[in-house]
Amino acid sequence: AQKVTQAQTEISVVEKEDVTLDCVYETRDTTYYLFWYKQPPSGELVFLIRRNSFDEQNEISGRYSWNFQKSTSSFNFTITASQVVDSAVYFCALSEARRDDKIIFGKGTRLHILP
Amino acid sequence: DAGVIQSPRHEVTEMGQEVTLRCKPISGHNSLFWYRQTMMRGLELLIYFNNNVPIDDSGMPEDRFSAKMPNASFSTLKIQPSEPRDSAVYFCASGGDTEAFFGQGTRLTVV
Repeated sequence: AQKVTQAQTEISVVEKEDVTLDCVYETRDTTYYLFWYKQPPSGELVFLIRRNSFDEQNEISGRYSWNFQKSTSSFNFTITASQVVDSAVYFCALSEARRDDKIIFGKGTRLHILP
Repeated sequence: DAGVIQSPRHEVTEMGQEVTLRCKPISGHNSLFWYRQTMMRGLELLIYFNNNVPIDDSGMPEDRFSAKMPNASFSTLKIQPSEPRDSAVYFCASGGDTEAFFGQGTRLTVV
């Protein structure tokens, strides 16, 4: 079955600290895609990244980085030198190619960056 | 491209009324998704289309909900009759080969 678990419901850190958001997924497929989205207080869902299951290279984009480890079925997201504007709910999601890319979301992690 | 466009942004309606939510996906995307977001249940996938064909509607809560995609540039989600428990933010998303983008959502309040 397709499942995404974000065990951290809420995290608070002080500005400039690094923070890692955990994501663990379950799938029986060998071909699948993993996503991260940001939902700021304004409510929109902002696409951050999509990775396919064959590419385990870590990704870095500015202060954001993602660590994909198939051995532990995890796709963790790290924000380096956090800023107040990073405060948001972050969602991890999974889609399986054999299920026509149906995207299933985790429950989200609410991140508070304190000034 | 202007992104995924949803209308209306806000809708307040009385219980029992019909509600129609609209979505214009990003041109060239072949997948379209309808999600509902509530505090209690998070982001739930209601239905998704691939090349205008409904692939999986198992998330549609009940027969009061229906969705159509008559062409590649337009989709609707209809609730008839609406109930207070349908109050939520409804998101439409469209997906291509390397991404899936969301519209800004429709906040539905059924009173």
